[in-house]
Amino acid sequence: GQQLNQSPQSMFIQEGEDVSMNCTSSSIFNTWLWYKQDPGEGPVLLIALYKAGELTSNGRLTAQFGITRKDSFLNISASIPSDVGIYFCAGSISGGGNKLTFGTGTQLKVEL
Amino acid sequence: GAVVSQHPSWVICKSGTSVKIECRSLDFQATTMFWYRQFPKQSLMLMATSNEGSKATYEQGVEKDKFLINHASLTLSTLTVTSAHPEDSSFYICSASVLRDLDGYTFGSGTRLTVV
Repeated sequence: GQQLNQSPQSMFIQEGEDVSMNCTSSSIFNTWLWYKQDPGEGPVLLIALYKAGELTSNGRLTAQFGITRKDSFLNISASIPSDVGIYFCAGSISGGGNKLTFGTGTQLKVEL
Repeated sequence: GAVVSQHPSWVICKSGTSVKIECRSLDFQATTMFWYRQFPKQSLMLMATSNEGSKATYEQGVEKDKFLINHASLTLSTLTVTSAHPEDSSFYICSASVLRDLDGYTFGSGTRLTVV
């Protein structure tokens, strides 16, 4: 099935650094979601975006819905050890009740 | 917030047997439930979408006779892996959604299936 392309595939950063990752698609989505997955667990929703150009924050996390509707960005400021995990973007054509297409994932490792 | 319970969290079965995985929405009624499969170090791949009282819609390449989905109520969906083989070993995750609720994609904690 279709997948969204995420970059980078993995990141190894120092505690306290800011992190940026992005997600691109060949087709348009009307809802973009960012999830974090810890080992052996299901994904947990971090941020949801509903409008092109929208910029939304959740604590140290900020995400943007690209103007073209074909991309999205996630920034994490002042990373801490518990930020370690895999981050997935996901797109939906029209939200609740409609299937999500997931990105390839960005694995984040934080060095103390 | 919305909670989705998935059971069992892990299961080991013999090749050729069937395994049932349950997905329950605990504090809301889910109009739609989704089943995903995730192989190690890979992303989530949608297997099927099920609406309460209807037949599931399977993604291309997913065998509907092998992965039986039942969505008999607004709070329960089950996935049965029939005649399991080692290549079916994977992490299976369900998600429950509420129609028109843009935040309504809550995931279960997943089931690790190992077929020996």
